[in-house]
Amino acid sequence: DQQVKQNSPSLSVQEGRISILNCDYTNSMFDYFLWYKKYPAEGPTFLISISSIKDKNEDGRFTVFLNKSAKHLSLHIVPSQPGDSAVYFCAASGYTGTASKLTFGTGTRLQVTL
Amino acid sequence: NAGVMQNPRHLVRRRGQEARLRCSPMKGHSHVYWYRQLPEEGLKFMVYLQKENIIDESGMPKERFSAEFPKEGPSILRIQQVVRGDSAAYFCASSQGQGMDQPQHFGDGTRLSIL
Repeated sequence: DQQVKQNSPSLSVQEGRISILNCDYTNSMFDYFLWYKKYPAEGPTFLISISSIKDKNEDGRFTVFLNKSAKHLSLHIVPSQPGDSAVYFCAASGYTGTASKLTFGTGTRLQVTL
Repeated sequence: NAGVMQNPRHLVRRRGQEARLRCSPMKGHSHVYWYRQLPEEGLKFMVYLQKENIIDESGMPKERFSAEFPKEGPSILRIQQVVRGDSAAYFCASSQGQGMDQPQHFGDGTRLSIL
């Protein structure tokens, strides 16, 4: 039962353009969402997060949008840079008494081309 | 800037042997989490520990796997009598607390290969 889904395994975007990565979830108990970036042979690096009381959070080139009614969130990267090429994981957490357990999606591989 | 330190980075074991994976959290972090990643999959939660306590082990297999986070020293994930299916990347993360503004930070993982 995949509670966090990233339906696009890969995405290719030209340098300077916007990258949009999507994530859907099924568990309505999730109330905190995070995006991580991962390079090969390294651990995930935290990028940005959003609480369910908000619908948008921005940090530099990265913006996360949350649509609670649709159980959907997206990560926008603008402008995209070659160094952004990596696998991006969406993760979710909810208060179940042990709030910090993260449920991850399967990832989207972003390729930023010159 | 010492992040989450995991060792070894690579570990090779034969079937039936024991594997011990170590994790030192970031300075000031007292919450440790272990995740496992199989090829082409996302990370799967295994266990969440605070010093000397297991808080949530809902993702741990019932047999052969154990975890500890002693008062002194690193957190240890122990796999007894390893089988081929245990081959995976094991990631440790740490956080200062459980708050929404205290995200988990990950180490670079231990790649476990079972011959």
